[in-house]
Amino acid sequence: AQSVTQPDIHITVSEGASLELRCNYSYGATPYLFWYVQSPGQGLQLLLKYFSGDTLVQGIKGFEAEFKRSQSSFNLRKPSVHWSDAAEYFCAVGARRDDKIIFGKGTRLHILP
Amino acid sequence: GAGVSQSPSNKVTEKGKDVELRCDPISGHTALYWYRQRLGQGLEFLIYFQGNSAPDKSGLPSDRFSAERTGESVSTLTIQRTQQEDSAVYLCASSSPGQALMAPYEQYFGPGTRLTVT
Repeated sequence: AQSVTQPDIHITVSEGASLELRCNYSYGATPYLFWYVQSPGQGLQLLLKYFSGDTLVQGIKGFEAEFKRSQSSFNLRKPSVHWSDAAEYFCAVGARRDDKIIFGKGTRLHILP
Repeated sequence: GAGVSQSPSNKVTEKGKDVELRCDPISGHTALYWYRQRLGQGLEFLIYFQGNSAPDKSGLPSDRFSAERTGESVSTLTIQRTQQEDSAVYLCASSSPGQALMAPYEQYFGPGTRLTVT
């Protein structure tokens, strides 16, 4: 069965600094990968997804993620964070169509002014 | 169009009472998911409905939890004899066919129901 691990429970970065949130997955075949964001008091919103093709995917709000099959990773990056990026970030993995999507436990991002 | 809606938005109940939480998915979405999110925690999968297939109930934490879905529309999550540890936000999500063949569906989340058991 597929699984996803987000090793960092909390991450703190300064406003304007670069960001990388880690995500590792476990699945025997090609995974389908997602990043969601949950801002305080808000519902979950899809940031980006990877299904196939180019391993570097662009998302909303200036985020990108890179699929690395050799490392079983799908890390989320942003060159320069803004205070409004403070939120909880969830990585998720799916297998084939009709299978449920499994979420990681999340990484809470804190932004220092 | 309208997104996923959930009701009530907040529910306070006494320990031992039964509660029903409702989810209205986006029209045309064949899959529906329920998750539980305890304060400061990640998403805990509860149950998954896909079309007319038997639901995946593997995440339900006890037999006090059950869920139903009428066709491809509304779903109800029922918690019987509520306990204080059931206090959490209950999230519903629905999904539609993705653009990629055989790709899993991306999920659209409702705002959640905050359940407090006193």
